[in-house]
Amino acid sequence: DQQVKQNSPSLSVQEGRISILNCDYTNSMFDYFLWYKKYPAEGPTFLISISSIKDKNEDGRFTVFLNKSAKHLSLHIVPSQPGDSAVYFCAASAAGAGSYQLTFGKGTKLSVIP
Amino acid sequence: NAGVTQTPKFRILKIGQSMTLQCTQDMNHNYMYWYRQDPGMGLKLIYYSVGAGITDKGEVPNGYNVSRSTTEDFPLRLELAAPSQTSVYFCASSYSTVNTEAFFGQGTRLTVV
Repeated sequence: DQQVKQNSPSLSVQEGRISILNCDYTNSMFDYFLWYKKYPAEGPTFLISISSIKDKNEDGRFTVFLNKSAKHLSLHIVPSQPGDSAVYFCAASAAGAGSYQLTFGKGTKLSVIP
Repeated sequence: NAGVTQTPKFRILKIGQSMTLQCTQDMNHNYMYWYRQDPGMGLKLIYYSVGAGITDKGEVPNGYNVSRSTTEDFPLRLELAAPSQTSVYFCASSYSTVNTEAFFGQGTRLTVV
């Protein structure tokens, strides 16, 4: 029973274009959402997060949108660069419910083509 | 700026052998975690610790043990290795559990044959 779903295993985008990575969740207790980026043979690195009290958070080329009614969030990368090629994990936590666990999706492999 | 350091990076174990995966962090974080990632899957929480001397089970704790004698170190013990424990293991730490990110080590790739 996957509580965090990333339905696209892979995505290819031309350099300079927008990359949109999607994530859906089922647990209504989740109140904090994060995106991690992972290169091969490295650990995940934190990219951007959003609290459930917001619907948008922006950091440079990265923007995360949260639609609570649809239980959906997305990560936009504009413009996409070859160095953005990596696996992106969506994660969620129910910190307000006292959970210590980050629940991860399976990841989406982004390839940015020069 | 070391962050979270895991050793070893790679290991091959025979079925029934034991080993300890080491994890240390230099950020003075109270919270530490062990995750495993199987191919094509997300990370699953094995054990976590909220401070020295306090540990608790995560989603997939069977076959593992942990200890937390200091703030810096959080080793993961496999007592009787099984092929199902072939995975990539990540240690992580965080300042808090509320609205904050976790910092991950580079991972240990373990193969049990």
